[in-house]
Amino acid sequence: DQQVKQNSPSLSVQEGRISILNCDYTNSMFDYFLWYKKYPAEGPTFLISISSIKDKNEDGRFTVFLNKSAKHLSLHIVPSQPGDSAVYFCAASGGSGNTGKLIFGQGTTLQVKP
Amino acid sequence: GAVVSQHPSRVICKSGTSVKIECRSLDFQATTMFWYRQFPKQSLMLMATSNEGSKATYEQGVEKDKFLINHASLTLSTLTVTSAHPEDSSFYICSAGAGGRLEKLFFGSGTQLSVL
Repeated sequence: DQQVKQNSPSLSVQEGRISILNCDYTNSMFDYFLWYKKYPAEGPTFLISISSIKDKNEDGRFTVFLNKSAKHLSLHIVPSQPGDSAVYFCAASGGSGNTGKLIFGQGTTLQVKP
Repeated sequence: GAVVSQHPSRVICKSGTSVKIECRSLDFQATTMFWYRQFPKQSLMLMATSNEGSKATYEQGVEKDKFLINHASLTLSTLTVTSAHPEDSSFYICSAGAGGRLEKLFFGSGTQLSVL
């Protein structure tokens, strides 16, 4: 039972354009969402998060949008840079507070072409 | 930022042997660490929550006698895959909390286990 889904395994965009990575979830108890970035041979690193009380959070080139009614979130990167090429995971938490238990999606591999 | 060191990064072993993976928080104390497993093209799946000084909490479907977790200090948790079999071949990764917020969870670089 995949509670967090990233249906696009890969995405390719041109440098300078917008990258949009999508994530869907099924558990309405989730109340906190995070995006992680992962390079090969490294662990995931935290990128940006959003609480369910918000619908948007922005940090520099990265913006996360949350649509609770659709149980959908997206990560926008603009402008995209070649260094953004990595695997991006969305993760969800909730129902039991900040216990640290995260449910991850399968990841989307982003390639930004120069 | 905080650093979590995971060792070894890659291990190849024969079927039936046991493999120990270490996860260390280098510059902070972690009362709780988490162990995940990732099969190819799948998500990181939480296996267990490791609590310093007490027994680990395992997720449903994870055999606690198969995957032994020890969290003897505030900076070290170990995962031992006992009597490994080819189906245990996977990417194992740990995370440790540097305090409260989920954004303060830091991940190790992972261990690729291959059981022949």
